[in-house]
Amino acid sequence: AQSVAQPEDQVNVAEGNPLTVKCTYSVSGNPYLFWYVQYPNRGLQFLLKYITGDNLVKGSYGFEAEFNKSQTSFHLKKPSALVSDSALYFCAVRDAGAGSYQLTFGKGTKLSVIP
Amino acid sequence: DTAVSQTPKYLVTQMGNDKSIKCEQNLGHDTMYWYKQDSKKFLKIMFSYNNKELIINETVPNRFSPKSPDKAHLNLHINSLELGDSAVYFCASSQKGPQGSPLHFGNGTRLTVT
Repeated sequence: AQSVAQPEDQVNVAEGNPLTVKCTYSVSGNPYLFWYVQYPNRGLQFLLKYITGDNLVKGSYGFEAEFNKSQTSFHLKKPSALVSDSALYFCAVRDAGAGSYQLTFGKGTKLSVIP
Repeated sequence: DTAVSQTPKYLVTQMGNDKSIKCEQNLGHDTMYWYKQDSKKFLKIMFSYNNKELIINETVPNRFSPKSPDKAHLNLHINSLELGDSAVYFCASSQKGPQGSPLHFGNGTRLTVT
């Protein structure tokens, strides 16, 4: 079975400060990891993914995420937050070895960037 | 525009009715999905089709029936609607492949059952 945990329901950060949204995962094989963002009344938009290779992956809108195998984590980061980054962020995992199409999402973290 | 589009955007109906939600993607993807997002924003996979073949069928009531006439379309039909079916339903698509193809989502259909 595969699962994702996002331990924070909400993260508040001041504009211009660095932000981190946490994610840990559990799979039996190697993970494919994803971050998505959801703005109000919209579908989820893909931000970035980790498949293999460099542990630090860069994505859209200046976001990056660091894969840490020993801690089974894939935290989302941005050096300087913008008010427009305020949204709901979802981490997701797929077991690469299971041959499964199924993507399991975390419960989401609401990011609020305060002007 | 290349996209995943679903209709209608809003659907308000009474208990016991039957309704359908349509989804189309013009991204050339071969896999399509239906997800349900509840009031707490939790996302749960319902169904997935690859090249018109059902490959994921999670534990959902059999009142929900997906239909894929071709690999660009995946519709969701719901019989005998119940209050608990109220949610936002998202269609998504992806391309099968070894590198972890991301999902592309539609903007959702907000279903309200009264």
